[in-house]
Amino acid sequence: AQSVTQLDSQVPVFEEAPVELRCNYSSSVSVYLFWYVQYPNQGLQLLLKYLSGSTLVKGINGFEAEFNKSQTSFHLRKPSVHISDTAEYFCAVSRFYGGATNKLIFGTGTLLAVQP
Amino acid sequence: KAGVTQTPRYLIKTRGQQVTLSCSPISGHRSVSWYQQTPGQGLQFLFEYFSETQRNKGNFPGRFSGRQFSNSRSEMNVSTLELGDSALYLCASSLGVGGASTDTQYFGPGTRLTVL
Repeated sequence: AQSVTQLDSQVPVFEEAPVELRCNYSSSVSVYLFWYVQYPNQGLQLLLKYLSGSTLVKGINGFEAEFNKSQTSFHLRKPSVHISDTAEYFCAVSRFYGGATNKLIFGTGTLLAVQP
Repeated sequence: KAGVTQTPRYLIKTRGQQVTLSCSPISGHRSVSWYQQTPGQGLQFLFEYFSETQRNKGNFPGRFSGRQFSNSRSEMNVSTLELGDSALYLCASSLGVGGASTDTQYFGPGTRLTVL
Protein backbone atom coordinates (compact mmCIF):
# COMPACT_ATOMS: atom_id res chain seq x y z
CA ALA A 1 0.00 0.00 0.00
CA GLN A 2 1.04 3.57 -0.52
CA SER A 3 0.96 6.40 2.00
CA VAL A 4 1.90 10.06 2.04
CA THR A 5 3.12 12.05 5.03
CA GLN A 6 3.13 15.81 5.18
CA LEU A 7 5.04 16.56 8.33
CA ASP A 8 3.85 20.13 8.84
CA SER A 9 0.17 20.90 9.23
CA GLN A 10 0.84 24.63 9.09
CA VAL A 11 3.78 26.71 7.88
CA PRO A 12 3.78 30.43 8.69
CA VAL A 13 6.15 32.55 6.61
CA PHE A 14 6.69 36.20 5.87
CA GLU A 15 6.07 37.61 2.44
CA GLU A 16 9.10 37.42 0.08
CA ALA A 17 10.74 34.75 2.25
CA PRO A 18 11.56 31.29 0.87
CA VAL A 19 9.47 28.31 1.87
CA GLU A 20 9.73 24.52 1.80
CA LEU A 21 6.76 22.21 2.33
CA ARG A 22 7.79 18.69 3.16
CA CYS A 23 6.35 15.48 1.75
CA ASN A 24 7.47 11.91 2.30
CA TYR A 25 5.89 8.85 0.77
CA SER A 26 5.93 5.15 1.37
CA SER A 27 5.43 2.58 -1.35
CA SER A 28 6.74 -0.82 -2.33
CA VAL A 29 6.12 -0.09 -6.01
CA SER A 30 6.87 2.76 -8.38
CA VAL A 31 4.72 5.82 -7.93
CA TYR A 32 4.11 9.13 -9.56
CA LEU A 33 4.13 12.25 -7.39
CA PHE A 34 1.99 15.36 -7.43
CA TRP A 35 1.50 18.61 -5.59
CA TYR A 36 -1.91 20.25 -5.58
CA VAL A 37 -3.02 23.58 -4.12
CA GLN A 38 -6.45 24.37 -2.72
CA TYR A 39 -7.55 27.97 -2.24
CA PRO A 40 -10.46 28.69 0.12
CA ASN A 41 -13.80 27.46 -1.17
CA GLN A 42 -12.25 26.03 -4.31
CA GLY A 43 -11.25 22.68 -5.69
CA LEU A 44 -7.70 21.46 -6.12
CA GLN A 45 -5.33 22.77 -8.77
CA LEU A 46 -2.26 20.90 -9.97
CA LEU A 47 1.00 22.71 -9.22
CA LEU A 48 3.40 20.14 -10.64
CA LYS A 49 3.99 16.44 -11.09
CA TYR A 50 6.90 14.04 -11.27
CA LEU A 51 6.58 11.13 -13.64
CA SER A 52 10.16 10.32 -14.61
CA GLY A 53 13.37 11.95 -15.81
CA SER A 54 14.87 15.00 -14.12
CA THR A 55 14.32 14.93 -10.39
CA LEU A 56 13.79 18.69 -10.26
CA VAL A 57 10.32 19.58 -11.44
CA LYS A 58 9.15 23.10 -12.11
CA GLY A 59 5.51 24.00 -11.79
CA ILE A 60 3.17 26.94 -11.96
CA ASN A 61 3.37 30.12 -9.87
CA GLY A 62 7.14 29.78 -9.35
CA PHE A 63 6.96 26.52 -7.38
CA GLU A 64 9.36 23.63 -7.85
CA ALA A 65 9.86 20.25 -6.22
CA GLU A 66 12.68 17.76 -6.02
CA PHE A 67 12.18 14.01 -6.10
CA ASN A 68 14.60 12.14 -3.85
CA LYS A 69 14.21 8.41 -4.26
CA SER A 70 16.65 7.42 -1.52
CA GLN A 71 14.85 9.57 1.02
CA THR A 72 11.41 8.90 -0.50
CA SER A 73 10.71 12.61 -0.43
CA PHE A 74 9.15 15.16 -2.75
CA HIS A 75 9.50 18.53 -1.06
CA LEU A 76 7.92 21.64 -2.54
CA ARG A 77 9.84 24.92 -2.62
CA LYS A 78 9.39 28.53 -3.61
CA PRO A 79 12.20 31.09 -3.34
CA SER A 80 9.94 34.04 -2.56
CA VAL A 81 6.32 33.76 -1.49
CA HIS A 82 3.47 36.22 -1.92
CA ILE A 83 0.37 36.85 0.12
CA SER A 84 -1.61 35.22 -2.69
CA ASP A 85 0.19 31.90 -2.05
CA THR A 86 -1.76 31.49 1.17
CA ALA A 87 -3.60 28.21 0.66
CA GLU A 88 -3.57 24.54 1.57
CA TYR A 89 -1.07 22.37 -0.26
CA PHE A 90 -1.49 18.65 -0.80
CA CYS A 91 1.10 16.10 -1.80
CA ALA A 92 -0.25 13.02 -3.58
CA VAL A 93 0.92 9.80 -5.17
CA SER A 94 -0.53 7.55 -7.78
CA ARG A 95 0.65 4.04 -8.29
CA PHE A 96 1.58 2.68 -11.68
CA TYR A 97 -1.32 0.32 -12.33
CA GLY A 98 -0.44 -0.21 -15.96
CA GLY A 99 -2.89 2.41 -17.07
CA ALA A 100 -5.84 0.92 -15.26
CA THR A 101 -6.63 3.74 -12.88
CA ASN A 102 -5.61 7.21 -11.77
CA LYS A 103 -6.49 6.93 -8.07
CA LEU A 104 -4.64 9.52 -6.01
CA ILE A 105 -3.57 9.02 -2.41
CA PHE A 106 -3.25 12.35 -0.63
CA GLY A 107 -1.33 13.59 2.35
CA THR A 108 -3.12 15.47 5.10
CA GLY A 109 -2.20 18.86 3.70
CA THR A 110 -0.06 21.80 4.78
CA LEU A 111 -1.57 25.21 5.31
CA LEU A 112 0.83 27.85 4.02
CA ALA A 113 0.09 31.12 5.83
CA VAL A 114 1.93 34.06 4.30
CA GLN A 115 2.13 37.10 6.54
CA PRO A 116 2.90 40.66 5.40
CA LYS B 1 -12.67 25.59 -22.30
CA ALA B 2 -15.07 25.27 -19.39
CA GLY B 3 -13.78 23.57 -16.25
CA VAL B 4 -15.31 20.81 -14.20
CA THR B 5 -18.69 21.80 -12.85
CA GLN B 6 -20.42 20.32 -9.85
CA THR B 7 -24.00 20.81 -8.78
CA PRO B 8 -25.29 21.73 -6.37
CA ARG B 9 -22.55 23.65 -4.61
CA TYR B 10 -24.18 23.42 -1.21
CA LEU B 11 -26.63 20.93 0.19
CA ILE B 12 -28.24 20.39 3.56
CA LYS B 13 -29.89 17.07 4.34
CA THR B 14 -31.06 15.23 7.44
CA ARG B 15 -30.01 11.83 8.67
CA GLY B 16 -31.61 8.95 6.83
CA GLN B 17 -32.21 10.88 3.63
CA GLN B 18 -30.44 10.19 0.38
CA VAL B 19 -28.62 12.61 -1.89
CA THR B 20 -27.40 12.74 -5.48
CA LEU B 21 -24.49 14.90 -6.56
CA SER B 22 -23.66 15.71 -10.16
CA CYS B 23 -20.40 16.30 -11.98
CA SER B 24 -19.87 17.50 -15.55
CA PRO B 25 -16.30 16.89 -16.73
CA ILE B 26 -14.24 19.00 -19.08
CA SER B 27 -15.27 18.44 -22.67
CA GLY B 28 -13.38 15.48 -24.13
CA HIS B 29 -12.50 13.97 -20.76
CA ARG B 30 -13.67 10.41 -20.31
CA SER B 31 -12.56 9.68 -16.76
CA VAL B 32 -14.28 11.00 -13.66
CA SER B 33 -13.14 10.40 -10.10
CA TRP B 34 -14.80 11.32 -6.83
CA TYR B 35 -13.13 12.24 -3.55
CA GLN B 36 -14.46 12.98 -0.09
CA GLN B 37 -12.73 15.71 1.91
CA THR B 38 -13.25 16.01 5.67
CA PRO B 39 -11.20 17.72 8.40
CA GLY B 40 -10.67 14.41 10.17
CA GLN B 41 -9.93 12.02 7.31
CA GLY B 42 -8.60 14.42 4.71
CA LEU B 43 -9.00 13.59 1.03
CA GLN B 44 -10.15 10.06 0.35
CA PHE B 45 -10.78 8.36 -2.96
CA LEU B 46 -14.36 7.21 -3.50
CA PHE B 47 -14.47 5.79 -7.03
CA GLU B 48 -13.43 6.32 -10.62
CA TYR B 49 -15.39 5.89 -13.82
CA PHE B 50 -14.18 5.56 -17.37
CA SER B 51 -16.48 5.07 -20.35
CA GLU B 52 -19.45 4.32 -18.10
CA THR B 53 -17.56 1.60 -16.21
CA GLN B 54 -16.34 1.77 -12.63
CA ARG B 55 -12.59 1.33 -12.90
CA ASN B 56 -11.66 1.52 -9.23
CA LYS B 57 -13.40 1.89 -5.88
CA GLY B 58 -12.25 3.18 -2.53
CA ASN B 59 -12.96 1.79 0.89
CA PHE B 60 -16.41 3.21 1.50
CA PRO B 61 -19.63 1.43 2.50
CA GLY B 62 -22.15 0.36 -0.09
CA ARG B 63 -24.31 3.40 0.73
CA PHE B 64 -21.97 5.29 -1.57
CA SER B 65 -22.53 4.58 -5.24
CA GLY B 66 -21.98 6.27 -8.54
CA ARG B 67 -22.48 6.04 -12.23
CA GLN B 68 -21.32 7.62 -15.43
CA PHE B 69 -23.39 8.43 -18.47
CA SER B 70 -22.50 8.14 -22.14
CA ASN B 71 -21.66 11.87 -22.26
CA SER B 72 -19.13 11.29 -19.42
CA ARG B 73 -21.22 13.19 -16.87
CA SER B 74 -21.22 11.44 -13.52
CA GLU B 75 -23.41 11.25 -10.49
CA MET B 76 -22.74 9.92 -7.05
CA ASN B 77 -25.42 8.88 -4.62
CA VAL B 78 -25.34 8.47 -0.89
CA SER B 79 -28.25 6.65 0.70
CA THR B 80 -29.30 6.63 4.35
CA LEU B 81 -27.18 9.65 5.21
CA GLU B 82 -25.23 9.71 8.45
CA LEU B 83 -23.79 12.70 10.30
CA GLY B 84 -20.31 11.56 9.36
CA ASP B 85 -21.12 11.95 5.67
CA SER B 86 -20.89 15.72 6.06
CA ALA B 87 -18.01 16.66 3.80
CA LEU B 88 -16.84 18.41 0.69
CA TYR B 89 -17.27 16.05 -2.26
CA LEU B 90 -14.85 16.73 -5.07
CA CYS B 91 -15.08 15.51 -8.60
CA ALA B 92 -12.07 15.35 -10.91
CA SER B 93 -11.92 14.69 -14.61
CA SER B 94 -9.10 13.59 -16.86
CA LEU B 95 -8.60 12.39 -20.40
CA GLY B 96 -8.51 8.84 -19.13
CA VAL B 97 -6.61 7.28 -22.00
CA GLY B 98 -3.06 6.04 -22.18
CA GLY B 99 -1.19 6.03 -18.88
CA ALA B 100 -4.02 6.79 -16.52
CA SER B 101 -1.75 7.11 -13.50
CA THR B 102 0.04 10.00 -15.16
CA ASP B 103 -3.10 11.85 -16.20
CA THR B 104 -3.55 15.36 -14.93
CA GLN B 105 -6.78 15.47 -12.98
CA TYR B 106 -8.80 18.67 -13.03
CA PHE B 107 -10.92 19.23 -9.96
CA GLY B 108 -14.26 20.93 -9.66
CA PRO B 109 -15.12 23.33 -6.82
CA GLY B 110 -16.91 20.61 -4.89
CA THR B 111 -20.30 20.11 -3.31
CA ARG B 112 -20.48 20.95 0.38
CA LEU B 113 -22.86 18.44 1.99
CA THR B 114 -24.09 19.06 5.51
CA VAL B 115 -26.04 16.31 7.26
CA LEU B 116 -28.12 17.39 10.26
